[in-house]
Amino acid sequence: GAVVSQHPSWVICKSGTSVKIECRSLDFQATTMFWYRQFPKQSLMLMATSNEGSKATYEQGVEKDKFLINHASLTLSTLTVTSAHPEDSSFYICSAGPGLAGAKQYFGPGTRLTVT
Amino acid sequence: AQSVTQLGSHVSVSEGALVLLRCNYSSSVPPYLFWYVQYPNQGLQLLLKYTSAATLVKGINGFEAEFKKSETSFHLTKPSAHMSDAAEYFCAVSDGSGNTGKLIFGQGTTLQVKP
Repeated sequence: GAVVSQHPSWVICKSGTSVKIECRSLDFQATTMFWYRQFPKQSLMLMATSNEGSKATYEQGVEKDKFLINHASLTLSTLTVTSAHPEDSSFYICSAGPGLAGAKQYFGPGTRLTVT
Repeated sequence: AQSVTQLGSHVSVSEGALVLLRCNYSSSVPPYLFWYVQYPNQGLQLLLKYTSAATLVKGINGFEAEFKKSETSFHLTKPSAHMSDAAEYFCAVSDGSGNTGKLIFGQGTTLQVKP
């Protein structure tokens, strides 16, 4: 089956620094990748939808200048958390799919970000 | 706008007992509905999905779900729970407004299976 990887799986950074999270589709080309945020014991909240070669579409309330998303190729999307603060600490999950309603998405294992 | 509500954040059953996880949805268009399972330290895995074909959908690991339009429900069931079923389960609806494929998730239900 299709595999999506994320790197790193766990990262600690200091407040004010930036951290980049990679999402890769290992054995298929992903037209669309989605970035979610999950707080402990809570649901996944969609942050943005990215399509290869175009600007990401952010959900309402998500700061696009803080959460920079790049989807430079059909197998790689990156999420950069800029000037991180402790409240940005969370579990970040990406998924990949064809970007069509009803289509299956393949999820990465997630990245645990802790900002100290 | 679409939304999903999962009734019960925590469900506990005995091994071998029936599993019933509840999901109600709200959608202004015919919905696509999904159930995903999340095991610790793993990515979400698709259990099953409803895409307007048969109302009773069979998925992996013995799970199935029935789409009931009159009740706006898509409850997940399994006749006999196994210890390995212990995990977090999410119901989701595909946002049909822009055909982007983005998913709106319910709050999640933790399934505990007791020996």
